[in-house]
This record gives sequence, structure tokens and C-alpha cells, in this order.
Amino acid sequence: LAKTTQPISMDSYEGQEVNITCSHNNIATNDYITWYQQFPSQGPRFIIQGYKTKVTNEVASLFIPADRKSSTLSLPRVSLSDTAVYYCLVGGGAPNSGAGSYQLTFGKGTKLSVIP
Amino acid sequence: DAGVTQSPTHLIKTRGQHVTLRCSPISGHKSVSWYQQVLGQGPQFIFQYYEKEERGRGNFPDRFSARQFPNYSSELNVNALLLGDSALYLCASSSRDWEPLGTEAFFGQGTRLTVV
Repeated sequence: LAKTTQPISMDSYEGQEVNITCSHNNIATNDYITWYQQFPSQGPRFIIQGYKTKVTNEVASLFIPADRKSSTLSLPRVSLSDTAVYYCLVGGGAPNSGAGSYQLTFGKGTKLSVIP
Repeated sequence: DAGVTQSPTHLIKTRGQHVTLRCSPISGHKSVSWYQQVLGQGPQFIFQYYEKEERGRGNFPDRFSARQFPNYSSELNVNALLLGDSALYLCASSSRDWEPLGTEAFFGQGTRLTVV
């Protein structure tokens, strides 16, 4: 599974757009890019997933350049409730080995602090 | 519909003891995965079960074991507890044994295990 690199932390004011970039230089052809959000003492929650170009849903956008070696999670007009840790994951697209395994590989994530 | 439920929510054990953690997946989900999250780190994959069979195992010692029951609920067992086993243990369920990342894994709130 490809290794990911994210900033350890970011600060933003309420109402601003936040962009969190993740590097994944060794991404494989079959790999998808997925972002999870985690609040303290809770399990991670799926935000968005993409393979290439741009994906948008009701909470975020995901930008993936043509070489797919990085991706950017964009959170529009953040609020205090968006304060959380955001994880970038790369993988999937094919069984890991043998019969296959649903295994998520998390890095350390980016701690986003939204300031009033 | 109920989400992924885990019990107990908090637990304090003494070094050398044994612990059993329980997880009930979302109704209809046949895959259950277990993750360990140490404070300040991302979740680390321990096991995945699908249809009562082990489908994946992370880099954890043999003191860690798990099983899945006919109703798809699961138990994680840890023997000979060490101080370093103190962590948030997360259970995730999904509807299939393998699929591209992001389609989605649903996490429970976790069990906070403290070993003293």
C-alpha cells in the first residue's frame, strides 16, 4: 500500500475554505484515494473518495492531478464543528493478496483546528 | 438503523490479564475489521473477518485473536495484557469482503482500554 504524507496540523478561521494536501508518490494504478474524518474518542468517518480529476459531494471536494501523486481535500466554509483529524488513505482497487482483505492503512493524519 | 456498536465503552485491566471486546456490525454487513488506535496515531489494522473466516491480519502478536459469529458479530481477545496495549480499539463493518477503499467502512465509537 502506498505511503501517504500529510501536514501534521493546520489552523483556519471559521468561514474559510480549507485545503489539505496529501502526497502519495508511490500510488499504484489500481489505488483509490480516500479521506476519513475523526473526532476525539470516535471512530473515523468516511468523507470522500476518488480515483482521478475531481470529485465533489455534499461535504467536500477532492482534487487529484493527472499524475495522481498527490490529492487535495477541500472543505468549503469550515465551521468549529469541522475541528478534527483528517486522514488520507491510498489503496484498494484490487485484493491485497489471496482471497482479499478489506484493510485500511491510516497515517498520522492532519489535525485541523478551526478558530472562531 | 443502528450503527456499529461496541462494548464495553471503557475498560480498565491489570497487566497480564485477558480482555474480550465485542462488536456488532450494521445489520446486513458481513465483514468486521478491528483496529487499534494509540493516542496521537492513526488506527492500525489488526484483523478482518468475513463470513466467519479470517481474511486479513495486521502486524500484531499472537496474543491478539478474534472470531466472528454466525450473526456476524465479533470478538477481539487480547491475552497477557501489556501497558502498551492501552488504546482505543475500533471495530468497522462493511457489506462486502473486499471492495475499493471508500465504499465505505463504518466505524463504531470504540472501546477505550486502559492497562495499569
